[in-house]
Amino acid sequence: DAGITQSPRHKVTETGTPVTLRCHQTENHRYMYWYRQDPGHGLRLIHYSYGVKDTDKGEVSDGYSVSRSKTEDFLLTLESATSSQTSVYFCAIRGDFRDEQFFGPGTRLTVL
Amino acid sequence: DQQVKQNSPSLSVQEGRISILNCDYTNSMFDYFLWYKKYPAEGPTFLISISSIKDKNEDGRFTVFLNKSAKHLSLHIVPSQPGDSAVYFCAASGDRDDKIIFGKGTRLHILP
Repeated sequence: DAGITQSPRHKVTETGTPVTLRCHQTENHRYMYWYRQDPGHGLRLIHYSYGVKDTDKGEVSDGYSVSRSKTEDFLLTLESATSSQTSVYFCAIRGDFRDEQFFGPGTRLTVL
Repeated sequence: DQQVKQNSPSLSVQEGRISILNCDYTNSMFDYFLWYKKYPAEGPTFLISISSIKDKNEDGRFTVFLNKSAKHLSLHIVPSQPGDSAVYFCAASGDRDDKIIFGKGTRLHILP
């Protein structure tokens, strides 16, 4: 257990509304990641952070923004949710060994 | 352009037999490879990894084989057990990469 929590675990929202997902870690890891998982696409990286206020884009960053004002929290924001953003979102941290990432339990987001 | 390919979306294996999951990659700069296991409604969990300086890594019932010339790796599970039924993701990274690239996953069904 790498001490990663995600909130909320489930959310249903309407198209056009803003949504923020939170990832919280308790072990002071430098690197944090946001992925989405969709059938037929596997895990795709949205954004990641390599330190407080240091973030970079991933493969599918359009329509998403992130912020990291504290080591322990990494927020993913959908400024104006669309139905194509219906997905399961996973947060991950990078552990002490080369590239091994540990994942949170996921947030299931439905955009109607 | 998929850099990590898992060409079998699903695989069914009899309990007690060997499960072999395959993965191909295209980026010759990848030098570290990982396998993750995912149960429904849970986050992926790290299973086993291998560095490009090795061609085999074993951990209990799980063995990963790497064929660099063919840009191919495989995960062997012997003997297969009911609890091995899950989705397995192959992933890869290059030296100095901050992120890893995942394949689309293979769903393994262990039949009684």
